Amino acid sequence: AQTVTQSQPEMSVQEAETVTLSCTYDTSENNYYLFWYKQPPSRQMILVIRQEAYKQQNATENRFSVNFQKAAKSFSLKISDSQLGDTAMYFCAFMKHGGGNEKLTFGTGTRLTIIP
Amino acid sequence: DTGVSQDPRHKITKRGQNVTFRCDPISEHNRLYWYRQTLGQGPEFLTYFQNEAQLEKSRLLSDRFSAERPKGSFSTLEIQRTEQGDSAMYLCASSSTPWTGLSSPLHFGNGTRLTVT
Repeated sequence: AQTVTQSQPEMSVQEAETVTLSCTYDTSENNYYLFWYKQPPSRQMILVIRQEAYKQQNATENRFSVNFQKAAKSFSLKISDSQLGDTAMYFCAFMKHGGGNEKLTFGTGTRLTIIP
Repeated sequence: DTGVSQDPRHKITKRGQNVTFRCDPISEHNRLYWYRQTLGQGPEFLTYFQNEAQLEKSRLLSDRFSAERPKGSFSTLEIQRTEQGDSAMYLCASSSTPWTGLSSPLHFGNGTRLTVT
């Protein structure tokens, strides 16, 4: 079974600053996907960024980037030039590749607050 | 495409009562998932369907919980004899197969928040 750990329950940062959210995971799988999801107060879970484990290059999506360290089983999210709209819960999630379904295993989340 | 729809948004019930939630997935999606999210926790997998077949159930899905997807479209999640520990957000998500890898593997609804008093 897979486990995902997010050790920062809450974080806050001033608007326009950079913030990094941590995530570690444990798995015996070699092929898998990792995701960061955002859950604003409206509650709908939105995909922020994804990473395929077989790719060494770190994924980037505009202001969002990841630092994927496969050997260390670490997958952190960096948000640059943070904006008020980034205020939300952020969840790290794992999905096995070739598992026959899209079941996601989530961490406990980090509540991020962007301070004006 | 109206997204995944869940009804009701909120439900308050007394301990011991039965409750039923509904989820309407994105129309062309053949897989439907239920998750539970308690305060301070991430979503936890409960069960999933491929079309009308329930293919996997978590140990979290006690015998008081039952989920159905009778015609492979909408799904219902029923909780019998509710307990205070059932208070949570119940999330539904859907997916199409095969996943192309171009977007989220799961598309989530806004959830149903259950409060058991």
